[in-house]
Amino acid sequence: EAGVAQSPRYKIIEKRQSVAFWCNPISGHATLYWYQQILGQGPKLLIQFQNNGVVDDSQLPKDRFSAERLKGVDSTLKIQPAKLEDSAVYLCASRRLPSGDSYGYTFGSGTRLTVV
Amino acid sequence: GENVEQHPSTLSVQEGDSAVIKCTYSDSASNYFPWYKQELGKRPQLIIDIRSNVGEKKDQRIAVTLNKTAKHFSLHITETQPEDSAVYFCAASKDAGGTSYGKLTFGQGTILTVHP
Repeated sequence: EAGVAQSPRYKIIEKRQSVAFWCNPISGHATLYWYQQILGQGPKLLIQFQNNGVVDDSQLPKDRFSAERLKGVDSTLKIQPAKLEDSAVYLCASRRLPSGDSYGYTFGSGTRLTVV
Repeated sequence: GENVEQHPSTLSVQEGDSAVIKCTYSDSASNYFPWYKQELGKRPQLIIDIRSNVGEKKDQRIAVTLNKTAKHFSLHITETQPEDSAVYFCAASKDAGGTSYGKLTFGQGTILTVHP
């Protein structure tokens, strides 16, 4: 099966600018996640969708971050305005509902954001 | 919420030696524990996982053990090879019999270096 597609792979912006990331999950995967991975740390969940509904956005800085998943397929994550501390890799992951012994996520390659 | 602690933060071994990475979790309701390997600049890759109804799982040179009472789980790599060098992350999730949405809480990561 095709993997989780993310774009762009890299982005450099100045602080206070806006940026958007795109994710196309694996076909048929109802659950989609956005994680933020700061250098030297484990990924941290920002937002979780089930189809086109938000399940968990408790760790999303809503004053500057927004995300949507129209039609329950593709998703975009936006930052406006960006801060220096937003520099990180933004990972998208998707997951079908688990069955049997298979609980696995599939991660995308991520978007590396540098805010200068 | 769930908190996952991972130790050590760095681990250096000689080729052929064993490596052990340990994690503790805080939420006794967590019941799914995956381990990810992440090479520099790449996406996290699932290498092994365990559910709470199992105490140990093995896949060739990799094994994971789980102690639910103590709320800790460990990754064991035997006969290490230079290509095992990477960052390893543990994670915990509540997957209530396949009906939950599976948010992962990650540990801080362990940088494993295997010297030839």
